[in-house]
Amino acid sequence: AQSVSQHNHHVILSEAASLELGCNYSYGGTVNLFWYVQYPGQHLQLLLKYFSGDPLVKGIKGFEAEFIKSKFSFNLRKPSVQWSDTAEYFCAVNAPHRGSTLGRLYFGRGTQLTVWP
Amino acid sequence: NAGVTQTPKFRVLKTGQSMTLLCAQDMNHEYMYWYRQDPGMGLRLIHYSVGEGTTAKGEVPDGYNVSRLKKQNFLLGLESAAPSQTSVYFCASSLTGTGGSRRWNEQYFGPGTRLTVT
Repeated sequence: AQSVSQHNHHVILSEAASLELGCNYSYGGTVNLFWYVQYPGQHLQLLLKYFSGDPLVKGIKGFEAEFIKSKFSFNLRKPSVQWSDTAEYFCAVNAPHRGSTLGRLYFGRGTQLTVWP
Repeated sequence: NAGVTQTPKFRVLKTGQSMTLLCAQDMNHEYMYWYRQDPGMGLRLIHYSVGEGTTAKGEVPDGYNVSRLKKQNFLLGLESAAPSQTSVYFCASSLTGTGGSRRWNEQYFGPGTRLTVT
């Protein structure tokens, strides 16, 4: 089975600090990559996605992520976080499932980001 | 356009009781999924469906059954609830899988159902 690793379980930052959340995956073939965000009490929302092309992807709310194929990584970054960025962040990789055409999502365990005002 | 909706939002069951969670999507998506979310575990796939009338097992299918009688609905059933099934359940849908243009693999999530089994 594929695996997605998020190295940081809980990150605490002050407002205006820079953010980088790590994500590594195990699948060696072509993948689609996603970052989802879950604000307290809410459902998952897509932050950004990578399918092909420019490996630096820009998403909503000033977030960006860089796909580095050689490192199997898709790290999320934001230059200056805000209190409203407090949420749980999930990295997800879309890869074939059991040899079928289904592209299921494999999720990391999530990183809780807490931003202090 | 409501996207993906789930009912109920909250439910408390006693061990051994049964219930059905309903997921509905109005985006004409072919693929639908049920996940469970537990602290520190991320989201794990329970069952999925690649089209009306078809279902398949995901990563953690034991204790659950599903049905996809209509394209827009995907039901998750618990026949005999156990405390280990206490979780938040999310439904998702996507236009396609990896067939054809994989660009359309983006999954859209519902608001979740918080289930407690005592």
